[in-house]
Amino acid sequence: GQQLNQSPQSMFIQEGEDVSMNCTSSSIFNTWLWYKQDPGEGPVLLIALYKAGELTSNGRLTAQFGITRKDSFLNISASIPSDVGIYFCAGQLRTGANNLFFGTGTRLTVIP
Amino acid sequence: NAGVTQTPKFRILKIGQSMTLQCTQDMNHNYMYWYRQDPGMGLKLIYYSVGAGITDKGEVPNGYNVSRSTTEDFPLRLELAAPSQTSVYFCASSQWDEQYFGPGTRLTVT
Repeated sequence: GQQLNQSPQSMFIQEGEDVSMNCTSSSIFNTWLWYKQDPGEGPVLLIALYKAGELTSNGRLTAQFGITRKDSFLNISASIPSDVGIYFCAGQLRTGANNLFFGTGTRLTVIP
Repeated sequence: NAGVTQTPKFRILKIGQSMTLQCTQDMNHNYMYWYRQDPGMGLKLIYYSVGAGITDKGEVPNGYNVSRSTTEDFPLRLELAAPSQTSVYFCASSQWDEQYFGPGTRLTVT
């Protein structure tokens, strides 16, 4: 499978701080997706990106599709305790069912 | 819409036993998937289906089987359970690129 390098692996931040994480690959992707997983739950889709350079927001979350199409970034502004969880990036190589690959996740802890 | 539902939530199996993990979606999606998630790892694709009657192997299919007799249901069968199959299993569905996940089944094989 494709290798998606997600960093950082974990983050400890104070409530109210901004958060940045990224995902890189040696392959070019058509689509980038960002998911959040709460403990004991399945991943929930946060943002989908379809075009190089695209910047998309969902509330306090903003994600960007890198110009090279080999990377993507997720920012969370003014973090709150419920932002705690694991954030996964996923890249779709091309259209089709067997082409979505996941990063290993960034574990976010927010200290009140 | 319930989205993607999975049963059971938890299961403990003895080595050599078999079981079926159930998955149902009510979004009329053509594509369905089974993933496993091991601690500290991302999701690995076990099997997928592009429509009723059509299934194919993903990255880690050994020890598993699937069937897709309807659009809604995509059960995953474990035959002869092994400790290496201890994991959390997620079912997902999609119409195009955006996959939607169920809550998962935590399986322990001892």
